Amino acid sequence: RKEVEQDPGPFNVPEGATVAFNCTYSNSASQSFFWYRQDCRKEPKLLMSVYSSGNEDGRFTAQLNRASQYISLLIRDSKLSDSATYLCVVNGDNFNKFYFGSGTKLNVKP
Amino acid sequence: DAGVTQSPTHLIKTRGQQVTLRCSPKSGHDTVSWYQQALGQGPQFIFQYYEEEERQRGNFPDRFSGHQFPNYSSELNVNALLLGDSALYLCASSLVGSGNTIYFGEGSWLTVV
Repeated sequence: RKEVEQDPGPFNVPEGATVAFNCTYSNSASQSFFWYRQDCRKEPKLLMSVYSSGNEDGRFTAQLNRASQYISLLIRDSKLSDSATYLCVVNGDNFNKFYFGSGTKLNVKP
Repeated sequence: DAGVTQSPTHLIKTRGQQVTLRCSPKSGHDTVSWYQQALGQGPQFIFQYYEEEERQRGNFPDRFSGHQFPNYSSELNVNALLLGDSALYLCASSLVGSGNTIYFGEGSWLTVV
């Protein structure tokens, strides 16, 4: 079983739509959770950390469900510039060892 | 404040050859991790260096080795290259400790022919 699993998509949505991604993780001892964004042929860049109480950053909302071992990312009012691959990242037993999902591809259409 | 820098950005090697990739971590960071990202996949953890020692290792063969220098910079070496080693190699730096964010360099694109 993979440490982190994501729906690969692609999610094709119109501008202005709300879209949600989920990600499941296998290690119940994981402590840190992140969403990274990766543009085509570029390095991953931190989008946001995911906190136990949930957190919001502008149009982006991240949630953590420890009981079910999944995290989610909600994007409201999608922009063309949101088109990218979104990577779910979870730390392993050691705090500095991170596991990445395969990414969910988002295409926002005009 | 310099971010994570990697070199070279692109390179082409022949099967059986050896390659060395280099990374300088973000200023103030002491831990360097290397990841391999194949096309269409998420980054896969290769290994991590802290205090000039390999602290953790992912599921990669011994052909993959590394080093960390006193200035925290790091090298990734791959011997006896296979076609399947073609990928984007990402260096990530962080500060040792609980839950600290990792920051990536732009990566080195390796093509093995």
